[in-house]
Amino acid sequence: DVKVTQSSRYLVKRTGEKVFLECVQDMDHENMFWYRQDPGLGLRLIYFSYDVKMKEKGDIPEGYSVSREKKERFSLILESASTNQTSMYLCASSPGGVSLSGQYFGPGTRLTVT
Amino acid sequence: QKEVEQDPGPLSVPEGAIVSLNCTYSNSAFQYFMWYRQYSRKGPELLMYTYSSGNKEDGRFTAQVDKSSKYISLFIRDSQPSDSATYLCAMSSQGAQKLVFGQGTRLTINP
Repeated sequence: DVKVTQSSRYLVKRTGEKVFLECVQDMDHENMFWYRQDPGLGLRLIYFSYDVKMKEKGDIPEGYSVSREKKERFSLILESASTNQTSMYLCASSPGGVSLSGQYFGPGTRLTVT
Repeated sequence: QKEVEQDPGPLSVPEGAIVSLNCTYSNSAFQYFMWYRQYSRKGPELLMYTYSSGNKEDGRFTAQVDKSSKYISLFIRDSQPSDSATYLCAMSSQGAQKLVFGQGTRLTINP
């Protein structure tokens, strides 16, 4: 069964802290994605990676960075957390190439920055 | 104008009703169309996907794509309270790895 896991379901951090969100997939997928989901704004793509050590900016990369050292793991880093980064963060993965299988999502991390 | 438009609802219907959820889009290059279901406090799960135009049926769910009108639909027959969730449409063009999502429609099925 397809599985994407995220390191934390709930996280509370203080303004200015460095925050790491981890995502692991066990499907040998080439592509991995980080989204944030906010009421009224839907899903917005932060970054994605189509191969190890490769990354591309999504629609809202400001204030975030990513790391992909291994195929199965994709990390989202908030260099200096701010209150406007309070959100639900979702990781997803998908096979490379033309894919009819869509993206598979993790359960999400609800991050609160105080 | 957003590339993908989806009425956020909320939509509330009685159990057993037929539900119609819709999205419109502006990018004629979109070829892959998907529907995701997201329960409260969970990640989205892929419900159905279709390539190009036409219909696809899976149990009580039917996905329909009309590329000439740039309009996709998801029909739920004999709706159940367990169908209560947010439904997101998503689409992509040939060769693209990124999906473009609709805002999601929040659906409640009342017993």
